[in-house]
Amino acid sequence: DAGITQSPRHKVTETGTPVTLRCHQTENHRYMYWYRQDPGHGLRLIHYSYGVKDTDKGEVSDGYSVSRSKTEDFLLTLESATSSQTSVYFCAISERQTNQPQHFGDGTRLSIL
Amino acid sequence: AQSVSQHNHHVILSEAASLELGCNYSYGGTVNLFWYVQYPGQHLQLLLKYFSGDPLVKGIKGFEAEFIKSKFSFNLRKPSVQWSDTAEYFCAVKGDTGNQFYFGTGTSLTVIP
Repeated sequence: DAGITQSPRHKVTETGTPVTLRCHQTENHRYMYWYRQDPGHGLRLIHYSYGVKDTDKGEVSDGYSVSRSKTEDFLLTLESATSSQTSVYFCAISERQTNQPQHFGDGTRLSIL
Repeated sequence: AQSVSQHNHHVILSEAASLELGCNYSYGGTVNLFWYVQYPGQHLQLLLKYFSGDPLVKGIKGFEAEFIKSKFSFNLRKPSVQWSDTAEYFCAVKGDTGNQFYFGTGTSLTVIP
């Protein structure tokens, strides 16, 4: 398995609080991604990064921000969490070549009450 | 934008039955295609991938998939399923340009012993 660590693995918090999820990789891959997984929707891309300080929005980016100050770390922040952001969040990484697959972390289960 | 359709949302089979899960995509250019499996409570794992060459691709655990360009399809098959194949299966597409992967909504497979 690829060296991807997501933290925390589980979190319960209240509406309106800020939340930061961390994805750490040891593979030195250029691309990193944040997805959310919800029943009936599969995986939806929130944001991705194609290098240090280089990020772009995915299809469900509203309410989320990201930062990548080092190759190995990609942070996802919910500035003011809402109940609609209750989900399982997956980080993924991939190499530069376009035909290479993504490798996924173990996920973070986030519940917002 | 690219999109991926998995028409079978939930499939129930008995052990030893044959499996075929449909995947259709919309993208006019060169594509890279992937099937992932997600066992209960786990992260997504790569089953197989196609990016060029023989359109019949063999993956792990006895799975295979066939790329039919004229039908924009990449269906997953297995001749004889086992109880341990119970999982959710995701088809994904990545164009030759751009950095995003596009996932289908997934097919939940239940294999009855």
